Amino acid sequence: GQNIDQPTEMTATEGAIVQINCTYQTSGFNGLFWYQQHAGEAPTFLSYNVLDGLEEKGRFSSFLSRSKGYSYLLLKELQMKDSASYLCAVRSWRMDSSYKLIFGSGTRLLVRP
Amino acid sequence: DAGVTQSPTHLIKTRGQQVTLRCSPKSGHDTVSWYQQALGQGPQFIFQYYEEEERQRGNFPDRFSGHQFPNYSSELNVNALLLGDSALYLCASSHQAREAAREKLFFGSGTQLSVL
Repeated sequence: GQNIDQPTEMTATEGAIVQINCTYQTSGFNGLFWYQQHAGEAPTFLSYNVLDGLEEKGRFSSFLSRSKGYSYLLLKELQMKDSASYLCAVRSWRMDSSYKLIFGSGTRLLVRP
Repeated sequence: DAGVTQSPTHLIKTRGQQVTLRCSPKSGHDTVSWYQQALGQGPQFIFQYYEEEERQRGNFPDRFSGHQFPNYSSELNVNALLLGDSALYLCASSHQAREAAREKLFFGSGTQLSVL
């Protein structure tokens, strides 16, 4: 089957660092995405990993280990505006070149002063 | 250059009615995918359209149907609406080429459908 797991909720303090983990089991793996979603809004793209290793983009970094089926999103210097849901999604590719994103249920992050 | 655009933004319907949602892909994109996101859940894949044909479908009943037009825009139709169809409906577009295998996916702002 295809499954994506991530914690339901996390709480962190403004200015701190938080790591949100994601484990997956999918067929036709072709990349892992992280999205941020504020309540009532559409997901916005944060990062994309297709090869093993760390991708850094400002305060956000994302790591991928394909052999372990594992990724994490690292948020540094947390700000109040980072309070949102964070969605882990795997792109599953088929031989006919069609694909779909398989999402986890999302991690609600609450940043406290 | 506009990104993915969806209309309408919000929609209220009653049980049993039919609804049509619209999506215009980002300029240069030819593939459109639709997702349903229920409250508190991650988005669920409905289907993907390319060259005006449905290429892949998720676990959704036949009440959910779609169409892609020659200009690559797309519609999602839902018949016989149920209360459980209340959700945020998202559209994403991309270009079907080898490079698409590594392309980032961006979503439109979504259509919030409420079924009463």
